[in-house]
Amino acid sequence: GQQVMQIPQYQHVQEGEDFTTYCNSSTTLSNIQWYKQRPGGHPVFLIQLVKSGEVKKQKRLTFQFGEAKKNSSLHITATQTTDVGTYFCAGSSNDYKLSFGAGTTVTVRA
Amino acid sequence: DGGITQSPKYLFRKEGQNVTLSCEQNLNHDAMYWYRQDPGQGLRLIYYSQIVNDFQKGDIAEGYSVSREKKESFPLTVTSAQKNPTAFYLCASSEDETQYFGPGTRLLVL
Repeated sequence: GQQVMQIPQYQHVQEGEDFTTYCNSSTTLSNIQWYKQRPGGHPVFLIQLVKSGEVKKQKRLTFQFGEAKKNSSLHITATQTTDVGTYFCAGSSNDYKLSFGAGTTVTVRA
Repeated sequence: DGGITQSPKYLFRKEGQNVTLSCEQNLNHDAMYWYRQDPGQGLRLIYYSQIVNDFQKGDIAEGYSVSREKKESFPLTVTSAQKNPTAFYLCASSEDETQYFGPGTRLLVL
């Protein structure tokens, strides 16, 4: 079955620095979604990418979908304490199911 | 105030006991999902339902059962056959593949 791998599992970032988390699928995806889960909370939808090579930005967050539609990345610039949490990618293959990566848990040093 | 509600927030199960987790949504979504989240892991799909009176097994359905008698409700029963039930359980509903999560139920075994 479809597997989605996400690295790194943990990211410790100095406030103000940039970082990137990566997501790779074993199969071609119809779309990829990103979610954020704050500590003690539930996942919240951030964005969906559908097109090959698509790039979308949300303020300091930049999301990219690979040309082969098998990988994706999330880049955060100038990290802030509000960025703390776990970021999940989730891949879909048009069957109403999402396969979630294990997540990247981000902590920020002030 | 639209959204997804889950109850209870915390649930304790004794050995050999079945327990039922509630999930209700007023978003008028057709599809609903149950996930299990363990520390350091992503979300694993237990069951999903695309329409009333129909549901399918996810990746880890053993030891769980569901029903979908109403569009708004998708309760999950954790049976005594589930030998390692301690986890954070998340319910979600979706439209256009974007998933909206409830606040979750933490199940602990006494």
